[in-house]
Amino acid sequence: DAGVIQSPRHEVTEMGQEVTLRCKPISGHNSLFWYRQTMMRGLELLIYFNNNVPIDDSGMPEDRFSAKMPNASFSTLKIQPSEPRDSAVYFCASSLAGRWGGGQFFGPGTRLTVL
Amino acid sequence: QKEVEQNSGPLSVPEGAIASLNCTYSDRGSQSFFWYRQYSGKSPELIMFIYSNGDKEDGRFTAQLNKASQYVSLLIRDSQPSDSATYLCAVVGAIQGAQKLVFGQGTRLTINP
Repeated sequence: DAGVIQSPRHEVTEMGQEVTLRCKPISGHNSLFWYRQTMMRGLELLIYFNNNVPIDDSGMPEDRFSAKMPNASFSTLKIQPSEPRDSAVYFCASSLAGRWGGGQFFGPGTRLTVL
Repeated sequence: QKEVEQNSGPLSVPEGAIASLNCTYSDRGSQSFFWYRQYSGKSPELIMFIYSNGDKEDGRFTAQLNKASQYVSLLIRDSQPSDSATYLCAVVGAIQGAQKLVFGQGTRLTINP
């Protein structure tokens, strides 16, 4: 079975540009999570969806960040405009939510560099 | 107090020995606990989960949970150089919803041949 798919794997852009990260969760999973990982702050949850509905976006750093999940097999994380401090690895993860949470399976990540 | 705390290490263990990784959490109502392994430059990989007090064994890995002490640990028996990685403890906190994982900062483990 295919795991979580993310694209692009690497993105280099200039400050002020729009960046769109894409994620395809594991088929049959009903929860999707976007994380950011840096050396300084570790792994941070940005937002998560359950059945395509955003449940908790309290981790989204500011209005420059937005996420959508138009259907069960696709999600995007957009940064507009991008800034150098957004440079990080962005992970998408999916799970089949049980009563007390199912294990989350991570995609390979997108390494974002904003110059 | 951080919600999930781990010793950042590095933890250095000789090959063949037992590696012991520890994690404490602050939300007493937490019900689900996960261990992830992350190799450098790779994504976190789920290796163990535990819901009930006591021990859970899977191959060379044993997860231990003590809810009264708010403590969860991971033991790796017969450590191999391929076990060298960062190990992340994650908790589903009852007060934060049943799906949101809170991660510790991770413990970097090095197995010395």
